[in-house]
Amino acid sequence: DAKTTQPNSMESNEEEPVHLPCNHSTISGTDYIHWYRQLPSQGPEYVIHGLTSNVNNRMASLAIAEDRKSSTLILHRATLRDAAVYYCIPFSNTGKLIFGQGTTLQVKP
Amino acid sequence: NAGVTQTPKFQVLKTGQSMTLQCAQDMNHEYMSWYRQDPGMGLRLIHYSVGAGITDQGEVPNGYNVSRSTTEDFPLRLLSAAPSQTSVYFCASSYQQGAFYEQYFGPGTRLTVT
Repeated sequence: DAKTTQPNSMESNEEEPVHLPCNHSTISGTDYIHWYRQLPSQGPEYVIHGLTSNVNNRMASLAIAEDRKSSTLILHRATLRDAAVYYCIPFSNTGKLIFGQGTTLQVKP
Repeated sequence: NAGVTQTPKFQVLKTGQSMTLQCAQDMNHEYMSWYRQDPGMGLRLIHYSVGAGITDQGEVPNGYNVSRSTTEDFPLRLLSAAPSQTSVYFCASSYQQGAFYEQYFGPGTRLTVT
């Protein structure tokens, strides 16, 4: 399984964009990059995933570097409800979803 | 759809007792899995199933048994509870095994073993 490096914590102001980085330099060519988040006292929640191209959905955007060794999750306008632990997970078709420590995002009003 | 449901929400056991954590999904998902999360830690995979009748071990399977007799249900059994099994347990499901599919998680069962 590919290893990931994420900042332990980040802060953002409400209604401002947030860029959450992830390094996954050992990712294989067929691994998807998944992002999940976990709000306090809740189960993880799927955010977005992609393979090579940038991806957008109603929650966020995912920007994947051309060499795929890093990616950035973009929350366009952070709200207080976005305060959570964000997990970046390279995920292969034959592998398992393996969670690391993630990034704790604090959103200030 | 109710999604992924787990019962009970909270449970306290004495060392040596046994119990079953229930997990059910109503999305006709083939792939289901169990994770545990210890305080301040990420989730660790216990067991998973790629379909009815098929189960396999994850990272931390010792002390836990699973079976998958139906597509909908994937119970986790603790045969003889130990204090080291105090944790929050999450069940997850996805349409099929594979990185193309997102996974859906239940709300968790908080287990304390004294």
